[in-house]
Amino acid sequence: AQSVTQLGSHVSVSEGALVLLRCNYSSSVPPYLFWYVQYPNQGLQLLLKYTSAATLVKGINGFEAEFKKSETSFHLTKPSAHMSDAAEYFCAVSDLGQGGKLIFGQGTELSVKP
Amino acid sequence: SAVISQKPSRDICQRGTSLTIQCQVDSQVTMMFWYRQQPGQSLTLIATANQGSEATYESGFVIDKFPISRPNLTFSTLTVSNMSPEDSSIYLCSAIRGTSGGYNEQFFGPGTRLTVL
Repeated sequence: AQSVTQLGSHVSVSEGALVLLRCNYSSSVPPYLFWYVQYPNQGLQLLLKYTSAATLVKGINGFEAEFKKSETSFHLTKPSAHMSDAAEYFCAVSDLGQGGKLIFGQGTELSVKP
Repeated sequence: SAVISQKPSRDICQRGTSLTIQCQVDSQVTMMFWYRQQPGQSLTLIATANQGSEATYESGFVIDKFPISRPNLTFSTLTVSNMSPEDSSIYLCSAIRGTSGGYNEQFFGPGTRLTVL
């Protein structure tokens, strides 16, 4: 069975600092991996996705993530945090055999201090 | 992309009653799903809404409690039946446009925030 673990339910950074949100996955088949962002009182928006192409994936709003099979990781980074990045971030995994179903991690709340 | 709307956006209900949530997509999609997000927690898949047939439920979710309809390729409803305070959650609809055999992005609606008293 597939699963996702996000390390750290809450991360706080200063504006302009590096953002690093950790995600490790478990999958018996090559996975598709996703990062979604949820702003307060809103639905989920896709930040970026890994679908077995390039291992370094660039997404919207300056975020990127690197797929590392040896470490079963898909950590999300952004070089310089902005106040508007404050939100809940979810890592998710899927595979073709699941028919599109997503398995989500527990989420990481990102706070950005001025 | 696909634009998904949900009605109602929020509701406060009494225990023992039922609420039907509507999900409308702006264009035809191949797959639709319903997720639950309990307070402070992640998203859990309730079921896959199948067009013209019974929904496929995940472990821990049953049709009597969460009946789902999908009469066409752009619309689905989720009913939360005989509600209790434990059903207080955000319910999200999502959809995939495209065929199987490759990756297709999953889009999410804004969610319905349900409070059961």
